[in-house]
This record gives sequence, C-alpha cells and structure tokens, in this order.
Amino acid sequence: SQQGEEDPQALSIQEGENATMNCSYKTSINNLQWYRQNSGRGLVHLILIRSNEREKHSGRLRVTLDTSKKSSSLLITASRAADTASYFCATADGEYGNKLVFGAGTILRVKS
Amino acid sequence: NAGVMQNPRHLVRRRGQEARLRCSPMKGHSHVYWYRQLPEEGLKFMVYLQKENIIDESGMPKERFSAEFPKEGPSILRIQQVVRGDSAAYFCASSRKAVQETQYFGPGTRLLVL
Repeated sequence: SQQGEEDPQALSIQEGENATMNCSYKTSINNLQWYRQNSGRGLVHLILIRSNEREKHSGRLRVTLDTSKKSSSLLITASRAADTASYFCATADGEYGNKLVFGAGTILRVKS
Repeated sequence: NAGVMQNPRHLVRRRGQEARLRCSPMKGHSHVYWYRQLPEEGLKFMVYLQKENIIDESGMPKERFSAEFPKEGPSILRIQQVVRGDSAAYFCASSRKAVQETQYFGPGTRLLVL
C-alpha cells in the first residue's frame, strides 16, 4: 500500500527561518494531508491538498504537490518556537480513501 | 463545537488485564477510525467504523483486539489479555463523510502495560 515517507527525519532551525519538509509516496492518490503533533499530544490537521492541486496556502504554511514525482513539500515560513513539533504527511488508502497511511514524520525544533 | 474526545487519557494495566478505550466523535460525524502509534513511529491504521458497522478492520491484530461503534454511545476499542507490546498511544479520529474527507483526531489514550 502507499506510504508517506518524510525527510528529513529531524530539522533544527532558528526562529524566523523557514522550514521545509518533504514527503514521498508510492502509488496514485486522491489527496495528501499534513498533520502536526506536539510532544505527547494528538494530531492537528494542517492542510489537505487534492491531486488536481499543485500548491495550497494556509497562513504561514505552503504545501506543494507533484504527482509526477509522487512527492509533496510543506514549507513553514518565519518559524516560531511554537512550531516545534513532529510533522506527518498522510495519504488515503482503502476503498473509500478512509485509511490514512502515515510516514514516520519529521521532528522540527525551532530554537529561540 | 467540541472536538473528538477520548478517555481515559492515560491507562495503566497489568499483563493479562483488559483495556477499554473510548472515543466520542465530533458532533455530526458518523465515521470513526482508530490508529495506534508506537514510540518514535507514525500512526498505523487499525479499524474504520460507522454506526453499528465495522467497515475496514484490516489493521487490527487478529486476536485480542475488537472495536465497536454502537447506535448510542461512544466507540470502544477493547484489548483483552494485554501484553507489554500493546503499550502505545491509541488515537481516534472522526469524519463527517467517508470519501476523501479530513479526519479530526482526538488527544489519544496512552496505554502502559506493566
């Protein structure tokens, strides 16, 4: 089954810098979602990008999708210490696209 | 509008006991999903339920694990005769519709088996 794989595994940047995380997957998709997880907490949905979209923005977040390369990227601009978290991409599998398949995630640390 | 609620948030069990995890979906959501997260790993799908029906249980271990989503009340993930390897965070998510919908996650239940 398809699986999102994020890279890098860990990223450490200074506050104010931009953070870019990448995700690759294996099979065709209808959409790809990005989630954030703070340490010891649940997942927060960030953004969903559909297969017919190439780029999507939400506040300081910018997501791109390249279906020919089966990859997506999440850019966080002007990072803040509060952005410190793990970030996961997920693709939808199953007959109804209901089964989310997550990668191992990127651990982002923003130093103030 | 309250989000997805899970309880308990933390659960400690001894080997051989039963664990019951509860999930109340967001208001208006009739689709529930359970995922398991082992330390330092991403989430793994376990089961997808609608009211009174199990739609996809392809991620559920064949033994000791069961799930239900009754007509009234929360969804329950039940683990019988727990073992240390069951220690993990269990997350519930819900969505309004089934097809290609955003799933909203609860805060999780952290199960520790001693």
